[in-house]
Amino acid sequence: RKEVEQDPGPFNVPEGATVAFNCTYSNSASQSFFWYRQDCRKEPKLLMSVYSSGNEDGRFTAQLNRASQYISLLIRDSKLSDSATYLCVVNLNYGGSQGNLIFGKGTKLSVKP
Amino acid sequence: DTGVSQNPRHKITKRGQNVTFRCDPISEHNRLYWYRQTLGQGPEFLTYFQNEAQLEKSRLLSDRFSAERPKGSFSTLEIQRTEQGDSAMYLCASSRRRGTANYGYTFGSGTRLTVV
Repeated sequence: RKEVEQDPGPFNVPEGATVAFNCTYSNSASQSFFWYRQDCRKEPKLLMSVYSSGNEDGRFTAQLNRASQYISLLIRDSKLSDSATYLCVVNLNYGGSQGNLIFGKGTKLSVKP
Repeated sequence: DTGVSQNPRHKITKRGQNVTFRCDPISEHNRLYWYRQTLGQGPEFLTYFQNEAQLEKSRLLSDRFSAERPKGSFSTLEIQRTEQGDSAMYLCASSRRRGTANYGYTFGSGTRLTVV
């Protein structure tokens, strides 16, 4: 089982749609969780951290369920500019590993006019 | 300091040649990471440094790969005797860590390696 698994995608949605991405992680010792956004042929950029209480940033809402080892990202009122690949990211913190992030394969989102 | 800088942006090399990439992190960041990304995959961890100390290396980092961060500032990643399977985007990232708090990474634009 891969350490971080995401919906395979691609997701093709019309402008204004609400879209949800799901992610599961295998290591219960994981400490920190993030969503990154990566545009085509560009570097990943931090979209938002994910907290146990859930957190919102404008049209974006992230949630974490530690019991189920599940992370989600909800995008409301999607814009053309939201088209990108969304990477689910987990910070493993066990043994001597205290810093590196583990990335999922990413889910590609394409928002159409 | 506007971000993480990587050089070169692109590198085409013949199989068997050695290549070296450079990364200049954000100056106040004490951690520096190297990742590799191939098409359709997320970035895969290679190694990271805290200041000049290399604290962890992935099993992906074969003995042909070596990374250094001699003065705790810039870092180099060298690949010896390149193989076609080494073709990928090599991403460098830096972050600031204080105590147990780990802040998000800032990535550079990457070096795209093509081995022919």
